[in-house]
Amino acid sequence: SQQGEEDPQALSIQEGENATMNCSYKTSINNLQWYRQNSGRGLVHLILIRSNEREKHSGRLRVTLDTSKKSSSLLITASRAADTASYFCATRGDSSYKLIFGSGTRLLVRP
Amino acid sequence: DVKVTQSSRYLVKRTGEKVFLECVQDMDHENMFWYRQDPGLGLRLIYFSYDVKMKEKGDIPEGYSVSREKKERFSLILESASTNQTSMYLCASKRESYNEQFFGPGTRLTVL
Repeated sequence: SQQGEEDPQALSIQEGENATMNCSYKTSINNLQWYRQNSGRGLVHLILIRSNEREKHSGRLRVTLDTSKKSSSLLITASRAADTASYFCATRGDSSYKLIFGSGTRLLVRP
Repeated sequence: DVKVTQSSRYLVKRTGEKVFLECVQDMDHENMFWYRQDPGLGLRLIYFSYDVKMKEKGDIPEGYSVSREKKERFSLILESASTNQTSMYLCASKRESYNEQFFGPGTRLTVL
């Protein structure tokens, strides 16, 4: 599998519930980023967590990083219909310019 | 606000045509990128440019070329379009030494 694999591939929840998405990666990292993509649009950066951080918050987003397990999770609390999107994690590739994206988690928040 | 624009949202071309996809950013970013996105495969890097007139191959450069004559503009060229190049193409830019990439809205290209 590629660097940055998300799981689950798809998630359907009711508005107000929490959504948790996971990302696993293979090689050591300096940081890990999460992006959101609304249907048919470009990606939007959500949050970056550095390798020496274990947890980071931004509004309703909470990201954790476990470098020993090479995994990260993105938690969206009190989800809204507007959170319906695909979510991708991204880690640095073999050059400082390259990002490697996973195949994403498709989140559907039902009103 | 950082803005990355792409010349077309939707494009339909015929096999063998030469196709130009244009990307413009207005934040004086040094680095620019072209990705393609296909279902189940995520985003794959085609080419990137770390500065004007500089370009580097990404993971899937075959069948593509790029041009960066001005800092704000990065063009992706399909020399002879083929049906397997039907895809969503995303352009992105970022500042040198920063991590966050800013994406354009994408161009959905169909090659018939």
